[in-house]
Amino acid sequence: GAVVSQHPSWVICKSGTSVKIECRSLDFQATTMFWYRQFPKQSLMLMATSNEGSKATYEQGVEKDKFLINHASLTLSTLTVTSAHPEDSSFYICSAPGTRQDTQYFGPGTRLTVL
Amino acid sequence: QKEVEQNSGPLSVPEGAIASLNCTYSDRGSQSFFWYRQYSGKSPELIMFIYSNGDKEDGRFTAQLNKASQYVSLLIRDSQPSDSATYLCAVGTGGGNKLTFGTGTQLKVEL
Repeated sequence: GAVVSQHPSWVICKSGTSVKIECRSLDFQATTMFWYRQFPKQSLMLMATSNEGSKATYEQGVEKDKFLINHASLTLSTLTVTSAHPEDSSFYICSAPGTRQDTQYFGPGTRLTVL
Repeated sequence: QKEVEQNSGPLSVPEGAIASLNCTYSDRGSQSFFWYRQYSGKSPELIMFIYSNGDKEDGRFTAQLNKASQYVSLLIRDSQPSDSATYLCAVGTGGGNKLTFGTGTQLKVEL
């Protein structure tokens, strides 16, 4: 399957600061990437769809001004959590579509802890 | 609202037994069905996908799909302790790769 990387793998920050998470497709180009959030013992919740060269599409209830997504190239999408608060602490995972219909390959995830 | 339902478990099976994981979905327009395995603290790993009614086998894994009953299952034969993980069912509509995930079933394979 396709390889997707994320950086950093974990980050701890103070409340009120901003954190940027990178998602890269290593051996293929991705015009679309997906950003998910997963709280402990819960399933993956899609936050937004990142589109190369255009605005991201956010799911209902996700604040687009708080979770800034930039998809500047065919191999890189970034998620910036602005003014992070403890309730934003979660496991953030990106994915990119595979070649078969609806398949997605996930990055290793980023564990965010906001103090 | 599209829903994907799974029994949260834990489902405990002895080593070498068959583990059966089940999933139901609400959207009759769903066209693609996936099983992901997620170890604690890790991201999901794609195990199998199935698009047509019937069975699809891949090694020790068999996915079964019944669109009339809106039901998809995963069988794991000769279960191993390394199969202990949470198994996520995901459903897609075929229209742009968006997936809806179930809450997952925790599987424990005991020695």
